[in-house]
Amino acid sequence: ETGVTQTPRHLVMGMTNKKSLKCEQHLGHNAMYWYKQSAKKPLELMFVYSLEERVENNSVPSRFSPECPNSSHLFLHLHTLQPEDSALYLCASSQGWGTSGYEQYFGPGTRLTVT
Amino acid sequence: GQNIDQPTEMTATEGAIVQINCTYQTSGFNGLFWYQQHAGEAPTFLSYNVLDGLEEKGRFSSFLSRSKGYSYLLLKELQMKDSASYLCAVMDSNYQLIWGAGTKLIIKP
Repeated sequence: ETGVTQTPRHLVMGMTNKKSLKCEQHLGHNAMYWYKQSAKKPLELMFVYSLEERVENNSVPSRFSPECPNSSHLFLHLHTLQPEDSALYLCASSQGWGTSGYEQYFGPGTRLTVT
Repeated sequence: GQNIDQPTEMTATEGAIVQINCTYQTSGFNGLFWYQQHAGEAPTFLSYNVLDGLEEKGRFSSFLSRSKGYSYLLLKELQMKDSASYLCAVMDSNYQLIWGAGTKLIIKP
């Protein structure tokens, strides 16, 4: 299944580094999402974009900066992260936003380790 | 606050039936989703319930009672490949998905 792809799959970075995560969806969807998944915790929604406009920002620290240049691509720019930011970062897309019933399709995730 | 509760871990035998429960308290309700996530992989969509009752899809069925804030996922004829985490998620009044922490299902031969 290559509907939603993410790169890189694994990333190790120091607290002073700057890096970016990339997500691309090939499903013709209009909404894209960033989630954080930590061990034994619920998925945490970070950002939602609908038709390339940010519609939700769930109190995410400013060291995480999203970018959505078009409806197929989503980036998460990272800078001066903390060790507690180490987690699996999942990208997802759905046909639309703001209507019930649209399931989300997930990418394989980027396993981020902050040292 | 909003809350989704599901058991942390369950064990079942190959060929048997298992029921994974999910209870929720959310601000509004626009449907409940079940996802499957194998270790190291992406979550994949299993089912969606918005009305009360049972939805059946092959070996998997999902049930919803909105008045009780309750759902379950029923897996029949268990196979080893069903070993995975099962995530319950509710869409709230703002169309955001509120997720449970997931139930890790272990299948034994």
